[in-house]
Amino acid sequence: KNQVEQSPQSLIILEGKNCTLQCNYTVSPFSNLRWYKQDTGRGPVSLTIMTFSENTKSNGRYTATLDADTKQSSLHITASQLSDSASYICVVAGNYGNNRLAFGKGNQVVVIP
Amino acid sequence: GAGVSQSPRYKVAKRGQDVALRCDPISGHVSLFWYQQALGQGPEFLTYFQNEAQLDKSGLPSDRFFAERPEGSVSTLKIQRTQQEDSAVYLCASSVLRLPPLATNEKLFFGSGTQLSVL
Repeated sequence: KNQVEQSPQSLIILEGKNCTLQCNYTVSPFSNLRWYKQDTGRGPVSLTIMTFSENTKSNGRYTATLDADTKQSSLHITASQLSDSASYICVVAGNYGNNRLAFGKGNQVVVIP
Repeated sequence: GAGVSQSPRYKVAKRGQDVALRCDPISGHVSLFWYQQALGQGPEFLTYFQNEAQLDKSGLPSDRFFAERPEGSVSTLKIQRTQQEDSAVYLCASSVLRLPPLATNEKLFFGSGTQLSVL
């Protein structure tokens, strides 16, 4: 079973609307959680990184939340733009002292005019 | 360079052919990672280097996969006798810190990947 589950798998939203992407994880012990944006044909680009003590972090129109107790995170996109069309990948780092990251499969977002 | 550079951008190989994928990390970055990303999936860890030392290769799917970073900068991922299931995007990423870089708030910078198609 994947240690990081994301939902919805894909969604289509109208330009200007908001949307929220969900990430549930089972990685333990937990070190930090990252959200990446991956445009088609490109590598992932970091949006936010949060440790267990952080509940929310913003990067422009992107706001990530983290509940380390329930092992859930969300990424909220405000006033979506066409350029927000991408895959959003939730990535969790365990506190193992190694360099393994657990990747979700991504939320595929399509913004239409 | 300004970012992580990977080449070639696309590679088409006949089954059984050997391929070599190159990664130029950001200058000065100590840590380098290789990932395999199948269509519609998240990246899967392949191997990790700290400078020239390959500290973790447990993600390599078979002994047909080999990676090196002889001078601690450029890295090459080699796949021998390619098979159709090797078709994927191969991503390289680098980070400035040493172990354990991912247990901190250190960013991981990805290249655009090499899309390998094995026919």
